[in-house]
Amino acid sequence: AQSVTQLDSQVPVFEEAPVELRCNYSSSVSVYLFWYVQYPNQGLQLLLKYLSGSTLVKGINGFEAEFNKSQTSFHLRKPSVHISDTAEYFCAVSEGAGGTSYGKLTFGQGTILTVHP
Amino acid sequence: DAMVIQNPRYQVTQFGKPVTLSCSQTLNHNVMYWYQQKSSQAPKLLFHYYDKDFNNEADTPDNFQSRRPNTSFCFLDIRSPGLGDAAMYLCATSRQADRVELFFGSGTQLSVL
Repeated sequence: AQSVTQLDSQVPVFEEAPVELRCNYSSSVSVYLFWYVQYPNQGLQLLLKYLSGSTLVKGINGFEAEFNKSQTSFHLRKPSVHISDTAEYFCAVSEGAGGTSYGKLTFGQGTILTVHP
Repeated sequence: DAMVIQNPRYQVTQFGKPVTLSCSQTLNHNVMYWYQQKSSQAPKLLFHYYDKDFNNEADTPDNFQSRRPNTSFCFLDIRSPGLGDAAMYLCATSRQADRVELFFGSGTQLSVL
């Protein structure tokens, strides 16, 4: 079975400051990793994904994440945040082919990012 | 644009009164999922369809059922909603080939009075 832990439930930052949202996972097989963003009362929008290859992944809205296999982490970063980045961010993991949970996403508990002016 | 559409956006029902939520997709994806997301919690998978093959999660209550009459449409039926079923319900799809990336609809916010 797989699990995801988002280490911070809330992260307040000032506009134009850098931010890092932390995510750790556990799985006995190879995984695919995702970050989704959810604005209030809306569905989930994919920010970025790691499937294979380069461990540094760039996504939409200036976000990027780095896959660290040895530390089983997939932290999300942005060098300079905007007010419009205020939202809830979910890290998610899906087992690769061969895993018993293939194709099913397991989500972390979410991190609420609040950007202050 | 190809997308996943959920209707209605907000649904209010009464305690014990059956309710149906709908999802349609123009992506022609073979796999469709229903997730439940309660306030301030992570989305939780209820079940999914691989084509017409229904796959229920072990801890999904019997009160929740689903129908998929064709590739494009999927319905979530709650036979006797309780107060604890108030949540956002998210529909998602993925490609048959790898089922790696999920495409989500905007969700239906269900209130139970």
